[in-house]
Amino acid sequence: KQEVTQIPAALSVPEGENLVLNCSFTDSAIYNLQWFRQDPGKGLTSLLLIQSSQREQTSGRLNASLDKSSGRSTLYIAASQPGDSATYLCAPSNQAGTALIFGKGTTLSVSS
Amino acid sequence: GAVVSQHPSRVICKSGTSVKIECRSLDFQATTMFWYRQFPKQSLMLMATSNEGSKATYEQGVEKDKFLINHASLTLSTLTVTSAHPEDSSFYICSAMKGTSTDTQYFGPGTRLTVL
Repeated sequence: KQEVTQIPAALSVPEGENLVLNCSFTDSAIYNLQWFRQDPGKGLTSLLLIQSSQREQTSGRLNASLDKSSGRSTLYIAASQPGDSATYLCAPSNQAGTALIFGKGTTLSVSS
Repeated sequence: GAVVSQHPSRVICKSGTSVKIECRSLDFQATTMFWYRQFPKQSLMLMATSNEGSKATYEQGVEKDKFLINHASLTLSTLTVTSAHPEDSSFYICSAMKGTSTDTQYFGPGTRLTVL
């Protein structure tokens, strides 16, 4: 059974810092992996999708990497801003067309 | 775009009543929709997989007679919480896959259910 762990559980940084959020998963035979953002009491916003054959994806200040063999993914946020404050969720899927398995997330707080 | 809506966004009900939550794909057809539940400070947990025109597949530990799922069209899936109890209070989120694409799931904004 796939289990997803995200470290750290919470992170507070001053504005402008670069930061890394970590995600590990127990079953490396994944189909793809998504990173989401969730604001308090809200739904999910998809940030990046990495296919199992890819090593990384970039969108603006966000860069997600995937090391499938070691069961790890990282989300790198450059030049953090207060608007980045949210909970970030990592979610691999084991097969095409199946549900995602979520970690508990990393709650990020960026202070101005 | 690929927009998924949920209705209602928030509902408060008395213990013992039933509540229906709708999940709609607004601008695409979704043969598969998923229902997740999220308790405070916890991860999203899959409840069931809903395929249009067939019975939903429930995850272990989820009572199918309590959480009724109907996926009657390619744009609508409903989750009915029957005889709701306070322990059913949670955040329910649906997601949908766009047509035959199996890569990206599009999530609804969620429904906050509070059972008194």
